[in-house]
Amino acid sequence: AQSVTQPDIHITVSEGASLELRCNYSYGATPYLFWYVQSPGQGLQLLLKYFSGDTLVQGIKGFEAEFKRSQSSFNLRKPSVHWSDAAEYFCAVQETSGSRLTFGEGTQLTVNP
Amino acid sequence: NAGVTQTPKFQVLKTGQSMTLQCAQDMNHNSMYWYRQDPGMGLRLIYYSASEGTTDKGEVPNGYNVSRLNKREFSLRLESAAPSQTSVYFCASSEPGVLWYGYTFGSGTRLTVV
Repeated sequence: AQSVTQPDIHITVSEGASLELRCNYSYGATPYLFWYVQSPGQGLQLLLKYFSGDTLVQGIKGFEAEFKRSQSSFNLRKPSVHWSDAAEYFCAVQETSGSRLTFGEGTQLTVNP
Repeated sequence: NAGVTQTPKFQVLKTGQSMTLQCAQDMNHNSMYWYRQDPGMGLRLIYYSASEGTTDKGEVPNGYNVSRLNKREFSLRLESAAPSQTSVYFCASSEPGVLWYGYTFGSGTRLTVV
């Protein structure tokens, strides 16, 4: 069965610093991969997705993620973090477009001024 | 605005009480889902409905029932609430196909069982 691991429960960065959130997945073939963001008291918003093709994908709010098949990873990055990026981030994997989405445990991001 | 609407947003129940969480989407999506979110555990799938008239168990279905009332609405029922069901519940919808945009989530229902 597919699974997703987010090794970092909580990350703290300073505003303006770069950010990388880690995501590792377990699945035999190339899955569909997603990153979602959840602001306090809100639902989940899709940041970006990867299906196939270019392994570097661009998302909203200046985020990008890189799919690395050899490492089974799909890490989320942002060159310069803003205070408004403080939120919880979830990586998710899906076998096919019609199958269920499996989420990682989430990474809580704190941004210091 | 188009999206997924959940009601209520907050609810406190006593152990043993029952309640139904409502979810409606206006995007004409075929698939709908109920997740629960607990600290450190991400989101876990309770039940899903791949299309109108079908429902299936997810990862943590015990203590819950669902009804896909029509294409728009998918409700989650707790027959006899337990403290372990204290959680934030999210409904989501999707439309698998060529233009695949993942799931659209509601804003959640925060449930406390005392």
